[in-house]
Amino acid sequence: DAGVIQSPRHEVTEMGQEVTLRCKPISGHNSLFWYRQTMMRGLELLIYFNNNVPIDDSGMPEDRFSAKMPNASFSTLKIQPSEPRDSAVYFCASRPNDGDEKLFFGSGTQLSVL
Amino acid sequence: GNSVTQMEGPVTLSEEAFLTINCTYTATGYPSLFWYVQYPGEGLQLLLKATKADDKGSNKGFEATYRKETTSFHLEKGSVQVSDSAVYFCARGSASKIIFGSGTRLSIRP
Repeated sequence: DAGVIQSPRHEVTEMGQEVTLRCKPISGHNSLFWYRQTMMRGLELLIYFNNNVPIDDSGMPEDRFSAKMPNASFSTLKIQPSEPRDSAVYFCASRPNDGDEKLFFGSGTQLSVL
Repeated sequence: GNSVTQMEGPVTLSEEAFLTINCTYTATGYPSLFWYVQYPGEGLQLLLKATKADDKGSNKGFEATYRKETTSFHLEKGSVQVSDSAVYFCARGSASKIIFGSGTRLSIRP
C-alpha cells in the first residue's frame, strides 16, 4: 500500500497566486482530513470529508480556502488568492471508516507564499 | 471546551534517560486518547492509543495510561534512544474528528 500521497511536496508562490494542493487517500478509506501545521498554531483541522461529503469545515480560515473531494480517491485544497500568512505545512490524512479513529497521514506539502 | 494541552518543548535529554511528556485534556464524556509521533520531514503516525479509563497504551517502549480522575494521558519511556528524536503530539477523539495538542519536540543527545 502506497499510503496517503500528497503533491506537491514543496510549493513556493507569490502573494495573490492560486495554490492547489492535492491528496490521494489510501484506497478503501472513507474519511479524509486536511490539517495545517504552523509553529504558532500547531496542527489545525481545516476540513474533513466522509464518503466524499464535507462534514465539518469550521476550521477553514476564510473564503479564500476551499476544498473538494470529487471522488473517493482524490481531494484538493485550494487557496485563492494566497497570502504570506498561509505559509505552512498542509497535511492530508485518511481513515478506514468513521468508527475507526486511527489516522494515516501523508508527508505534507510545504507551502511558502512570498 | 474540548481541547488538549501538552507540555511545551523543546525537551532535550541524554540517551538512556527517562522521558515524561505531560498531556491533559478537557472533554465531555470519555474520548479516545492518542499519542502521535512526527519524524523529520514526515507526516504524523500513530504511536499508541487508549480508549477507556485505566487503559494503558504501549508501543516501542513508550507507555501512556488513561487517567480519568486527573484527565491526563502522560507519555513515558524508561530509556530513550537517539532515534526517538521527533515531535510528539497528544490527541483526543471528538465526534469523528481528532483534536491535537501543540506538539512537543524531543531531542536526544548521544
